[in-house]
Amino acid sequence: QVTLKESGPVLVKPTETLTLTCTVSGFSLSNARMGVSWIRQPPGKALEWLAHIFSNDEKSYSTSLKSRLTISKDTSKSQVVLTMTNMDPVDTATYYCARIVTAMADRWFDPWGQGTLVTVSS
Amino acid sequence: QSVLTQPPSASGTPGQRVTISCSGSSSNIGSNTVNWYQQLPGTAPKLLIYSNNQRPSGVPDRFSGSKSGTSASLAISGLQSEDEADYYCAAWDDSLSWVFGGGTKLTVL
Repeated sequence: QVTLKESGPVLVKPTETLTLTCTVSGFSLSNARMGVSWIRQPPGKALEWLAHIFSNDEKSYSTSLKSRLTISKDTSKSQVVLTMTNMDPVDTATYYCARIVTAMADRWFDPWGQGTLVTVSS
Repeated sequence: QSVLTQPPSASGTPGQRVTISCSGSSSNIGSNTVNWYQQLPGTAPKLLIYSNNQRPSGVPDRFSGSKSGTSASLAISGLQSEDEADYYCAAWDDSLSWVFGGGTKLTVL
């Protein structure tokens, strides 16, 4: 059974750096057909993609947030870490990690973690 | 504002067929496949359709997807009360990013 679980602080202050960890099980981060993505959802709003990383260390970031994001992985620990600098109240959201499955040229997110709500407030 | 355009809401009565549209551009839907996700209230999104029209194991065949040009659609036939949820389309964009729709809230009347 494939599962992903997000962990990190529930409350951060403005200007602080957020560090989130996604711990995966049921698949390996060294699997060439798979990657992990971070996606967030502000309360009552739509999903917003943030970043992804694949087994070959291919990384990609949201254009609008690229300067604030860093994604990395520790294959031995089955963990993917996302850091977001200079947090602001508008970054308050539920942050999800999701496995990316690839087949030929197609990609999709499956499954998703349960999500973790991060509130930015002083 | 989301890159892919979805209607904010849709509704139908039990047993009816409803469709949800998703409009994009040549750099996303026009050149890559579309996926659909269902988000039940208070839960994480779940894969509903991948590669335009493929259903993962366990997804009822009442759900179907299609794509034409730079638009895609999700159809739900035999609408049931448990289908009440938010639905999101998504696609890879050639600018090396994922893009989502703004979501459609489906109400079963």
